[in-house]
Amino acid sequence: GESVGLHLPTLSVQEGDNSIINCAYSNSASDYFIWYKQESGKGPQFIIDIRSNMDKRQGQRVTVLLNKTVKHLSLQIAATQPGDSAVYFCAENPGGNQFYFGTGTSLTVIP
Amino acid sequence: GAVVSQHPSRVICKSGTSVKIECRSLDFQATTMFWYRQFPKQSLMLMATSNEGSKATYEQGVEKDKFLINHASLTLSTLTVTSAHPEDSSFYICSAVKNTDTQYFGPGTRLTVL
Repeated sequence: GESVGLHLPTLSVQEGDNSIINCAYSNSASDYFIWYKQESGKGPQFIIDIRSNMDKRQGQRVTVLLNKTVKHLSLQIAATQPGDSAVYFCAENPGGNQFYFGTGTSLTVIP
Repeated sequence: GAVVSQHPSRVICKSGTSVKIECRSLDFQATTMFWYRQFPKQSLMLMATSNEGSKATYEQGVEKDKFLINHASLTLSTLTVTSAHPEDSSFYICSAVKNTDTQYFGPGTRLTVL
């Protein structure tokens, strides 16, 4: 796997609004993608995944969209709540034990 | 889901001592585990890939003699920070791979070296 130690971009949303977090991936051979949520002082937590034979997958209040043409992944959070405040990472897996992480986005929910 | 644990969750040690961090996959077997380091407000930085029964693969710039990794079984990998110094203070996170494609992360270990 790879990751880059960069400072995180931030996103602020009002409580109750929908949030959209974007991620551009690099490897056109990647066929499996995961979104993780990391709260302060904790390890990343699996949220939702999607395989390349799909372009949309829904979970509870979350939806992941995959656009393979432009190598873009997004995470939509409906009715954002204060508990959603965290850093969100996308990860791509081109196969085997290779994992590539995005830089992450820090989401702040304003009450 | 899958559960990965780390122990200890927090450790404070004196400069020059060695610290061992354990990573366990509790309900699945993991032939591969990863070790990451994370600084405040930054992304995960991969340190090494740990494969059960073989030597770990270290990322460029990570000293293998400084960060000893042992993957003794399909459910346990350990990271030992040898002769720790204040600059080694960080948040260390492990992950374990389930079914060859999904990583599940541990809760992290906060290391503070005085």
